[in-house]
Amino acid sequence: AAGVIQSPRHLIKEKRETATLKCYPIPRHDTVYWYQQGPGQDPQFLISFYEKMQSDKGSIPDRFSAQQFSDYHSELNMSSLELGDSALYFCASSLGQGALLVWPDTQYFGPGTRLTVL
Amino acid sequence: SQQGEEDPQALSIQEGENATMNCSYKTSINNLQWYRQNSGRGLVHLILIRSNEREKHSGRLRVTLDTSKKSSSLLITASRAADTASYFCATANQAGTALIFGKGTTLSVSS
Repeated sequence: AAGVIQSPRHLIKEKRETATLKCYPIPRHDTVYWYQQGPGQDPQFLISFYEKMQSDKGSIPDRFSAQQFSDYHSELNMSSLELGDSALYFCASSLGQGALLVWPDTQYFGPGTRLTVL
Repeated sequence: SQQGEEDPQALSIQEGENATMNCSYKTSINNLQWYRQNSGRGLVHLILIRSNEREKHSGRLRVTLDTSKKSSSLLITASRAADTASYFCATANQAGTALIFGKGTTLSVSS
């Protein structure tokens, strides 16, 4: 079965550079979530989209922005990178808010993008 | 504040033994989910238990939910070395639009 795809898998950037992470949800899933997981930490919710509209916002810095496109893929744009941004960034998708049968719905996670800021 | 807190933080057992991990949460829930994460990898959904369920099984996994105590436990029976991973419980945020994860329990199973 198709899973959530994230690219790139690894990314190394310098401080103050920008980075773009991409996420391709499971086909027919209408909701995409982004999480950040620092070393030894639990995943922290950043932002989510439902049907291409921002659904909710968590602890996402103002330097970050994201969007969901017409084909449901999502991109997380990160600017003015800081050392503390080094983390695993996960995208998850679900057939979520539209169904409202089981809420919150099971989220299927991608393999993550490991971002290292030097 | 953290929605889900887990204990123990780390657990080391021998193959064949059972492993029990506990999770507590603070607000009312519709469901509680358990995820597994191998080191540096993505999270894999294990099981979802609804607020009106008390116990659920999936293979060697048994999850219980006590809404009066706002707690859940995950039991892995007859553990294997391949069960070595971190296990997280997750509940919904206040808006019900995203998951809030607990700190996780790191399980090490030695052969």
